[in-house]
Amino acid sequence: SAVISQKPSRDICQRGTSLTIQCQVDSQVTMMFWYRQQPGQSLTLIATANQGSEATYESGFVIDKFPISRPNLTFSTLTVSNLSPEDSSIYLCSVRLAVISSYNEQFFGPGTRLTVL
Amino acid sequence: RKEVEQDPGPFNVPEGATVAFNCTYSNSASQSFFWYRQDCRKEPKLLMSVYSSGNEDGRFTAQLNRASQYISLLIRDSKLSDSATYLCVVTYFNKFYFGSGTKLNVKP
Repeated sequence: SAVISQKPSRDICQRGTSLTIQCQVDSQVTMMFWYRQQPGQSLTLIATANQGSEATYESGFVIDKFPISRPNLTFSTLTVSNLSPEDSSIYLCSVRLAVISSYNEQFFGPGTRLTVL
Repeated sequence: RKEVEQDPGPFNVPEGATVAFNCTYSNSASQSFFWYRQDCRKEPKLLMSVYSSGNEDGRFTAQLNRASQYISLLIRDSKLSDSATYLCVVTYFNKFYFGSGTKLNVKP
């Protein structure tokens, strides 16, 4: 498995501001992902963070709103821009250790709980 | 139609009971299958992978039925600590699809 840390663990922000979430993994990983989980809901994939290139966004998510960086194989950031109360959610970083193998399970960071006032 | 469907529950069972959850998936070409456990206000954690032949890990047994496109999780001798939400996960071409989870409450 992998040990994943996220910062901050929680934050309360004013609407119109931005929050950047950091994800650090204790080993080099092939694939990193960002998810959102709204209260009582399951996980929704925001994007795949690609090392050295632009992230791949899922339908309904755009780079202007959710810019992502991945400068190396152990670190990524997600910024949630121009915050509105609808962005209040838990944001989770996730990694997959291998693309094709019997070890393609995903592991999750502890999450960042964002509240927008 | 959702890729993965689960009964949200909650399933309220006494300690020591046996409880089973099912999960159905829509894409017959789905490739890998997992059960994750999520405690309240925590991240999901991998409980077990699900193999075609079925597999067991202690009190937990997972089964896959490709013909009917469902997977199941059986928990025997339930413990209070088993109380959590159980997420069914299905993959297709490297994308993970999460169910909305089944909530289990184990009561003393």
